[in-house]
Amino acid sequence: SQTIHQWPATLVQPVGSPLSLECTVEGTSNPNLYWYRQAAGRGLQLLFYSVGIGQISSEVPQNLSASRPQDRQFILSSKKLLLSDSGFYLCAWSEWTGHGYTFGSGTRLTVV
Amino acid sequence: QKEVEQDPGPLSVPEGAIVSLNCTYSNSAFQYFMWYRQYSRKGPELLMYTYSSGNKEDGRFTAQVDKSSKYISLFIRDSQPSDSATYLCPLSRPFSGGYNKLIFGAGTRLAVHP
Repeated sequence: SQTIHQWPATLVQPVGSPLSLECTVEGTSNPNLYWYRQAAGRGLQLLFYSVGIGQISSEVPQNLSASRPQDRQFILSSKKLLLSDSGFYLCAWSEWTGHGYTFGSGTRLTVV
Repeated sequence: QKEVEQDPGPLSVPEGAIVSLNCTYSNSAFQYFMWYRQYSRKGPELLMYTYSSGNKEDGRFTAQVDKSSKYISLFIRDSQPSDSATYLCPLSRPFSGGYNKLIFGAGTRLAVHP
């Protein structure tokens, strides 16, 4: 069966520090991969999606970037965090059709 | 106008009640309809998935889609305290490259009290 792993679960980082969140998927090949951010009391906002190794599309301009160095690995990064980057970050995968996303357990990021 | 609208709640009901959660959407291009449940500080989990108008039942849960009114509902029978969570109704529509994109509303927070 397929599983998705996301870490760390919580993170407190100072303003201006770098960020690296990692997500890996097991039990499938060539998945679509997604990074979402969920602000308190708000819906999920799609940040990045990837349909293959090295293929990254950005949904909104921001202080973050994403990379997919391997088929089942998706990384969310920032060179210098802002206070506004705080939030709950979720990684998800789907089959190529894009239906029925499976989400990871999320990373709660607090920038102080 | 937001593409997907949900009443954020919170909706508070006694245990055993029938719960009705609703979403409206504006874009007729939406083809697939899902309900996710998200417990506090956890990732959303898929509850139900449908692509046609009408009802789909799974245990205590029934999803109802009315494409003509752009209105979808989730009914929970015999609600339990363990149903207390935020319920999301993302809709799926095609975007560039032939893939489908999920558009999320804010979610409805449900509290079932014993």
